[in-house]
Amino acid sequence: DAKTTQPNSMESNEEEPVHLPCNHSTISGTDYIHWYRQLPSQGPEYVIHGLTSNVNNRMASLAIAEDRKSSTLILHRATLRDAAVYYCIRRGGAGSYQLTFGKGTKLSVIP
Amino acid sequence: DSGVTQTPKHLITATGQRVTLRCSPRSGDLSVYWYQQSLDQGLQFLIQYYNGEERAKGNILERFSAQQFPDLHSELNLSSLELGDSALYFCASSGPRGGEQYFGPGTRLTVT
Repeated sequence: DAKTTQPNSMESNEEEPVHLPCNHSTISGTDYIHWYRQLPSQGPEYVIHGLTSNVNNRMASLAIAEDRKSSTLILHRATLRDAAVYYCIRRGGAGSYQLTFGKGTKLSVIP
Repeated sequence: DSGVTQTPKHLITATGQRVTLRCSPRSGDLSVYWYQQSLDQGLQFLIQYYNGEERAKGNILERFSAQQFPDLHSELNLSSLELGDSALYFCASSGPRGGEQYFGPGTRLTVT
């Protein structure tokens, strides 16, 4: 049970922003939201994570709803290299830090 | 390059055999995780070790076992292999407080 819901696929034009949504309506107060992506033929790659506040790093931004029941991963300018499967994951705040992957969103970037 | 290394990259073996997959975590990372990725089951967590001790178990079969050695490298042992064990096996490592996990390039196991 991945406990998050994401669209199966999305498309974006190159150099345009991409907003990848994720629903996690049963999230607990100590669960973090993690995003990973998996490029073809590679292992998953960490993108970003957050708890309550919006987060930015060099790869992306993470916007977390005030009620924490949903979040959005924002890629500011999609490149062809961003074509991947993006996984939104709830992860507990203490104890084991295992990741429970769902099916993710397959992002296609159109040149 | 995540800093996590896995060997071998590819492994082809027959049903009933036993194999060992090896993982070296990023320098300084104490936690090692093993995941299996198959077409029908997706990415599944198998087991986690922290500084040599088992920390958590996921969907790991009894035919599979793992250990983490004093130098922090880890091995995943798969025995009595079945066709359905064919998959990509990933190792990941993280620091003591979890946070991000860094994944290796994986070992592709084919059981014939």
